[in-house]
Amino acid sequence: DAGITQSPRHKVTETGTPVTLRCHQTENHRYMYWYRQDPGHGLRLIHYSYGVKDTDKGEVSDGYSVSRSKTEDFLLTLESATSSQTSVYFCAISEVGTGGNQPQHFGDGTRLSIL
Amino acid sequence: RKEVEQDPGPFNVPEGATVAFNCTYSNSASQSFFWYRQDCRKEPKLLMSVYSSGNEDGRFTAQLNRASQYISLLIRDSKLSDSATYLCVVNPTNDYKLSFGAGTTVTVRA
Repeated sequence: DAGITQSPRHKVTETGTPVTLRCHQTENHRYMYWYRQDPGHGLRLIHYSYGVKDTDKGEVSDGYSVSRSKTEDFLLTLESATSSQTSVYFCAISEVGTGGNQPQHFGDGTRLSIL
Repeated sequence: RKEVEQDPGPFNVPEGATVAFNCTYSNSASQSFFWYRQDCRKEPKLLMSVYSSGNEDGRFTAQLNRASQYISLLIRDSKLSDSATYLCVVNPTNDYKLSFGAGTTVTVRA
């Protein structure tokens, strides 16, 4: 399995609080991604990173920010959590930018509940 | 229209049966295709890439039909351990972005 660790694995918090999720990889892959998965939807990209300090928005980026200060770490922050952000969050990595049949590999996920 | 659409199923099949299902994609310029499997409350795991000529990995066969814009997955001699949700994944623009289907659930019964 790809060396990807997400923390925390589970979190329950209240509306309006800040939340930071961490993704740590040991594969030295350049690309890292944050997705959310909700019932009835495929995984939806929140933000991605193509290098240290290089990030860009995905399709559902509102309410989320990211940072990547080191190759191995990609942080996802909910500045002021809302109940609509209750979801399962997956981090993924890929060696290159998923062109030319390069797949992504996923971490175990973080189950986040916003009450 | 969603970029990737799948029949959610569930497909309930007995052990040993063959099960097949498709996934359609909307962007004719899509370059890369994958099947992932996802077990309940687990992360998606790559099952196989899908090549233009079709490809096989043990009991699993994937096909790509560019003219009709769909990919298929066939599972032969189903095992109980094949019970999972199968995600169709397409790279529409040959860059970082993958589009995921919502998944097809397969349940194999003894």
